[in-house]
Amino acid sequence: DTEVTQTPKHLVMGMTNKKSLKCEQHMGHRAMYWYKQKAKKPPELMFVYSYEKLSINESVPSRFSPECPNSSLLNLHLHALQPEDSALYLCASSQSTGFVYGYTFGSGTRLTVV
Amino acid sequence: GIQVEQSPPDLILQEGANSTLRCNFSDSVNNLQWFHQNPWGQLINLFYIPSGTKQNGRLSATTVATERYSLLYISSSQTTDSGVYFCAVGRGYSTLTFGKGTMLLVSP
Repeated sequence: DTEVTQTPKHLVMGMTNKKSLKCEQHMGHRAMYWYKQKAKKPPELMFVYSYEKLSINESVPSRFSPECPNSSLLNLHLHALQPEDSALYLCASSQSTGFVYGYTFGSGTRLTVV
Repeated sequence: GIQVEQSPPDLILQEGANSTLRCNFSDSVNNLQWFHQNPWGQLINLFYIPSGTKQNGRLSATTVATERYSLLYISSSQTTDSGVYFCAVGRGYSTLTFGKGTMLLVSP
């Protein structure tokens, strides 16, 4: 299995809702990442998990809360989002955070906040 | 951090034409990847190429690490090649830094 699977593919939520994005990989990768991508822009790093521990938080607002329950699964919990948080959310994994390894990306969750 | 510049920003081709996309980076890197983002948003890894030359079908890539640039060649382009091509680099234990991308449109 050489894939990163993200669910759901599309999500529409109100500003008072709580929802979660899910990411799963079974490649034995020990580093997992959340990226946010706005239209016509490159992906921007949000969080990095290395060996199930949060290693990088790129000053992301607390309304985004990541969680890594085990080495195969990464969640992003969403609460009280704003319309400007509407974007494509991409998950990626790599063998580790060591520099020699390539990243594999999931197909993303397209989030709309209304 | 490392600066990544991609050129051209936009490219329009007729089906069957060849093209070269360029990625310049400001410092030595240990990781360089080319991605294709299709119209549905999926980022597809084309090449992991911190140095050297690789080929995969109609696509090939060359990275000259000492001169800090990489080239992606697309031959005999097809409409399915349309989308955004990103170059992303990493150095040491840092995470990937993306360029702004090249938007490619291949018309029939």
